Amino acid sequence: ETGVTQSPTHLIKTRGQQVTLRCSSQSGHNTVSWYQQALGQGPQFIFQYYREEENGRGNFPPRFSGLQFPNYSSELNVNALELDDSALYLCASRPGAAEGTQYFGPGTRLLVL
Amino acid sequence: AQSVTQPDIHITVSEGASLELRCNYSYGATPYLFWYVQSPGQGLQLLLKYFSGDTLVQGIKGFEAEFKRSQSSFNLRKPSVHWSDAAEYFCAVGAADKLIFGTGTRLQVFP
Repeated sequence: ETGVTQSPTHLIKTRGQQVTLRCSSQSGHNTVSWYQQALGQGPQFIFQYYREEENGRGNFPPRFSGLQFPNYSSELNVNALELDDSALYLCASRPGAAEGTQYFGPGTRLLVL
Repeated sequence: AQSVTQPDIHITVSEGASLELRCNYSYGATPYLFWYVQSPGQGLQLLLKYFSGDTLVQGIKGFEAEFKRSQSSFNLRKPSVHWSDAAEYFCAVGAADKLIFGTGTRLQVFP
């Protein structure tokens, strides 16, 4: 059974650019969530996708957007990057939208210069 | 408001000593509670979870946690710490669509 995978592992961007991060969910999981973890902080919930629809969102601006595909993989897109967007971005999957344990991928570390 | 508090930012123990990491939560309903561990530069690994039933739950790597509703706590324990346990530990409460995390406790283990 393959766990949650994320790509790329590291990324460097400049302020104002756009970035796309990718996540493949664990086999049998139809729900994917994205979290932002700033240095020295706990992860903060960005949003959740269930069956290709966003069905939960944290306190993040609209320039943070996402997609989920029919195979339940997901993308996180961030437009107009700001310095404070530098963080570890974690993807988690689970078997249902409001149930089950969330299993995390290794994360993508984004540095915005 | 839903929240998780981990009062200890940094804990240092000697290898072989016992460990207790504190976690307090604020949540309106019966909580789903989790402990995750994060090694430097890595993602989160689930140690254990509480959904219902027995309030003492066993996890991987010899960890256990006890849910105490009266104290709104879910403290993590291990009777004998190994050097490989050095990491960041996060307590989380599960809401309908998300996990709410504490700020974490960094564990340092001395030989």
